[in-house]
Amino acid sequence: DVKVTQSSRYLVKRTGEKVFLECVQDMDHENMFWYRQDPGLGLRLIYFSYDVKMKEKGDIPEGYSVSREKKERFSLILESASTNQTSMYLCASSSQGNDGYTFGSGTRLTVV
Amino acid sequence: KQEVTQIPAALSVPEGENLVLNCSFTDSAIYNLQWFRQDPGKGLTSLLLIQSSQREQTSGRLNASLDKSSGRSTLYIAASQPGDSATYLCAPPIDDKIIFGKGTRLHILP
Repeated sequence: DVKVTQSSRYLVKRTGEKVFLECVQDMDHENMFWYRQDPGLGLRLIYFSYDVKMKEKGDIPEGYSVSREKKERFSLILESASTNQTSMYLCASSSQGNDGYTFGSGTRLTVV
Repeated sequence: KQEVTQIPAALSVPEGENLVLNCSFTDSAIYNLQWFRQDPGKGLTSLLLIQSSQREQTSGRLNASLDKSSGRSTLYIAASQPGDSATYLCAPPIDDKIIFGKGTRLHILP
């Protein structure tokens, strides 16, 4: 069963901490994505990557960075967590072909 | 920029009814369209993927259609069940990225 795995289901971090959210896929997909989801705002794209060491800004990249050192792993980094980054974070992957997107189960991050 | 609208935003129907969820998008230069289901607090589960060369796709009680020229897709759910209660999202990709609508929140009454 192909999978996108997000390392943490729930996280609680303090304001100012550096936070790493990890995502791993086992489908040899080229493309990987990070979204955040907030009530009333839907899913918004933060960053995406089409290849190892490549990254592109999505619609709301401010306050975030990403790392893709290996094809299967895409990390989202909150350099200095703030309370307005409390949200559900969802990782997804896709191939260069037309076989659709696969999502992880999400990480619920609370910044206090 | 791709904009996605889903109507209705919320829907409550008695168990057993057939229902239709609507999705419209502004940029028709898509190569496929995917429908997802999301249960509260969970990730997204793919339901159906329609390629641009297809007009519809079926899986069990679900049928999705795609009309690229008019920028519309519909998800038809037959004989609805309480377990169908969830939020349904359509996702037409553009430039290898998917932009989501706000979804339709569906509640099936037992």
